[in-house]
Amino acid sequence: DAGVIQSPRHEVTEMGQEVTLRCKPISGHDYLFWYRQTMMRGLELLIYFNNNVPIDDSGMPEDRFSAKMPNASFSTLKIQPSEPRDSAVYFCASSARQATEAFFGQGTRLTVV
Amino acid sequence: AQSVAQPEDQVNVAEGNPLTVKCTYSVSGNPYLFWYVQYPNRGLQFLLKYITGDNLVKGSYGFEAEFNKSQTSFHLKKPSALVSDSALYFCAVRDMGAGSARQLTFGSGTQLTVLP
Repeated sequence: DAGVIQSPRHEVTEMGQEVTLRCKPISGHDYLFWYRQTMMRGLELLIYFNNNVPIDDSGMPEDRFSAKMPNASFSTLKIQPSEPRDSAVYFCASSARQATEAFFGQGTRLTVV
Repeated sequence: AQSVAQPEDQVNVAEGNPLTVKCTYSVSGNPYLFWYVQYPNRGLQFLLKYITGDNLVKGSYGFEAEFNKSQTSFHLKKPSALVSDSALYFCAVRDMGAGSARQLTFGSGTQLTVLP
């Protein structure tokens, strides 16, 4: 398996634009996590899914953020409208069961100017 | 609510010396504990985990960690540090108690620098 795949690796966008980040989890994994990493706040859990269903989205900062998982092999994190303070590295991770470790993608570095 | 504390933002150690990166946790149920490493411009890589059983767990690259229930700690250790171990290390916990949300919560990270 190729691991967790995120796209794009880098995204630069203007304030106010819509941004969509994509994630393909490892096949067979039934948990998917979205994290945001910044120097100031470290690694923050935004939302996670179990069997494509959102379980906890309390980490989603504002209504501008939304996440979907239409099927077991694909998830999106959307920011609309984007703001400069959204600039961060966004990671997607997946795990097979609650008891096992999560595997991370390479991340998407988002810059909002 | 579950939480993880990594009290040291930065740890410096000389190559060949033993290293320790500290982690304490707080959960209401049984903890599942993990260590991850992050190299610059890369994602997090899994190092080791504690689920149950022996309190000393061994992981990748010669790292090990000791689970101490009474002190609610899970410190990462290595007997002899390498310059290539220099990276950002994260401790994480999952609360497996009944009724918990069971999400994976990370500490703030500790930057390890191994000096040649």
